[in-house]
Amino acid sequence: QSALTQPPSASGSPGQSVTISCTGTSSDVGGYNHVSWYQQHPGKAPRLIIYEVIRRPSGVPDRFSGSKSGNTASLIVSGLQAEDEADYYCNSQAGTSSWVFGGGTKLTVL
Amino acid sequence: QVQLVESGGGVVQSGGSLRLSCATSGFTFRSYNMHWVRQAPGKGLEWVAFVWHDEHDKWYADSVKGRFTISRDNSKNTLFLQMNSLRPEDTAMYYCAKDNTAWAFDYWGQGTLVTVSS
Repeated sequence: QSALTQPPSASGSPGQSVTISCTGTSSDVGGYNHVSWYQQHPGKAPRLIIYEVIRRPSGVPDRFSGSKSGNTASLIVSGLQAEDEADYYCNSQAGTSSWVFGGGTKLTVL
Repeated sequence: QVQLVESGGGVVQSGGSLRLSCATSGFTFRSYNMHWVRQAPGKGLEWVAFVWHDEHDKWYADSVKGRFTISRDNSKNTLFLQMNSLRPEDTAMYYCAKDNTAWAFDYWGQGTLVTVSS
């Protein structure tokens, strides 16, 4: 199973919006609505911020949102804040018995 | 609150074995499916293995199939990963993660580092 494709980096100024893409195939992202996103600060464990494409766990700010079109999912971070600077990973169901992650995107808040 | 605490990592020679543990608390362990996810130094996340709440089935990434075995002890709220025939490319931080019943990982441990020397 090949990793999902994410841009290596993204950036934005405080208050701006940034979109991070996650491209797969019809066997993963395009075939299922089980796309999730994770935020990881340096030296920390990942944190779930979006699941089932658009759902936010309790405690996650509504500045984080998700969407999907065809084989590409997107994470939108609105109203960027300094603490949003982190690595972001997408993940998708990949068939009936596996998961696949994206390569990760380093988000820089300018 | 939900807590997952991994242990058992360390340095091992290529071809060797290690057994990782993940002690859990704060939720009904026996009711939830569980995962292992790893992250090589400076690299991205890689899903490794999954076990159903009652152990009736287990799934593995192709990269570890036949070498790693996931298991659990519901009486002790603990998840395990037996790793055999270790290779240098297995060097990584290993995280246990709880499944949220929607194909996502909603709680993670702090990780345990496995280093395989050649």
